[in-house]
Amino acid sequence: NAGVTQTPKFQVLKTGQSMTLQCAQDMNHEYMSWYRQDPGMGLRLIHYSVGAGITDQGEVPNGYNVSRSTTEDFPLRLLSAAPSQTSVYFCASSYSGTGGREQYFGPGTRLTVT
Amino acid sequence: KQEVTQIPAALSVPEGENLVLNCSFTDSAIYNLQWFRQDPGKGLTSLLLIQSSQREQTSGRLNASLDKSSGRSTLYIAASQPGDSATYLCAVRRGQGAQKLVFGQGTRLTINP
Repeated sequence: NAGVTQTPKFQVLKTGQSMTLQCAQDMNHEYMSWYRQDPGMGLRLIHYSVGAGITDQGEVPNGYNVSRSTTEDFPLRLLSAAPSQTSVYFCASSYSGTGGREQYFGPGTRLTVT
Repeated sequence: KQEVTQIPAALSVPEGENLVLNCSFTDSAIYNLQWFRQDPGKGLTSLLLIQSSQREQTSGRLNASLDKSSGRSTLYIAASQPGDSATYLCAVRRGQGAQKLVFGQGTRLTINP
């Protein structure tokens, strides 16, 4: 299993540009999430999904859109990039059944907005 | 609002020592607690997951304990090695259906050869 994969690894955008961060998992996990990690702020939840066709907002959703058309993929869209969105973005997934619900994280995408 | 605190923020010890990393949380109504390791510039690697009904979990040289009533968890690393150098994060999940993990700021651990 590849686990959770993210592309690209690095990205530089100019203010106002849009882009999509890709996330895929091959573990058949229903739950998927996007976090951002910033110095001094820790990891914060942006959006999450409990299954294909179902998404919801986390604690810092403004400026981001998500959709979930398949179990495997959960892309994160930046509509109009701002310098405040410079961060490291992590995608995570977990099983939805009873039990541990251990979360697995991808390697991250480092985004710089100038 | 759940808050997770990890103290100390940084720790440096010589190789071979046993050490304890601390994690405290303000709301004891958690579903589980997970310890992660993060190497510089890398993603998060899950180390141990403790359910709210459990007291501890072990994996190799790592042992994590959970005391829900006092809002504390510890990660014990035995016979530390330079390869253990990384940032260690703890995170709590509020409920079975809850998606959000609340993370601590992490402890940056350096093991000196």
